[in-house]
Amino acid sequence: QKEVEQNSGPLSVPEGAIASLNCTYSDRVSQSFFWYRQYSGKSPELIMSIYSNGDKEDGRFTAQLNKASQYVSLLIRDSQPSDSATYLCAVNRGPAGNQFYFGTGTSLTVIP
Amino acid sequence: ETGVTQSPTHLIKTRGQQVTLRCSSQSGHNTVSWYQQALGQGPQFIFQYYREEENGRGNFPPRFSGLQFPNYSSELNVNALELDDSALYLCASSLGGQMNTEAFFGQGTRLTVV
Repeated sequence: QKEVEQNSGPLSVPEGAIASLNCTYSDRVSQSFFWYRQYSGKSPELIMSIYSNGDKEDGRFTAQLNKASQYVSLLIRDSQPSDSATYLCAVNRGPAGNQFYFGTGTSLTVIP
Repeated sequence: ETGVTQSPTHLIKTRGQQVTLRCSSQSGHNTVSWYQQALGQGPQFIFQYYREEENGRGNFPPRFSGLQFPNYSSELNVNALELDDSALYLCASSLGGQMNTEAFFGQGTRLTVV
């Protein structure tokens, strides 16, 4: 079993719609979770971090965490063509930060 | 821009050679982690340096080694290069040894082993 699993997609949504990206993790003691966006040929860019159960909103992005279900999600409202990218879910692997397990990423295409 | 810089951006090496990749962390950050990202995969954690000491290691052989300098910049060294080492190498800097800390990536070094 992989430590972090994501649907690889591709996921296509029309412009203006809500894109929903999901991630599950296997290590029950994980405490910190992150979403990164990666454009083709570029490095990952941090979008959201979430540490507590519930929702965290930042502009058009909402991260949701459910530790009991070992589930993290990212919602993108009013999707724009510029949101087209691969979205990586990262779960911290130990007591120190910046030691991530990453999923393989979900490819999102927003259709104008 | 994250303030994390890596050099070089691209590199071509021959199997069996050695390579050194460099990373300058964001101002104020004292922790650097290195990741390997193969095509179509998520980044894989190689190791982390905190206050000039290795602070965690992923499932990579000893021919992957590193250093962190007093200014918190870091090097990744790979000996005896293999074809499978071809990948995007990413460094990420962050503050402190705390779990709940955000990490920011440099632009990466694309290594091709032929």
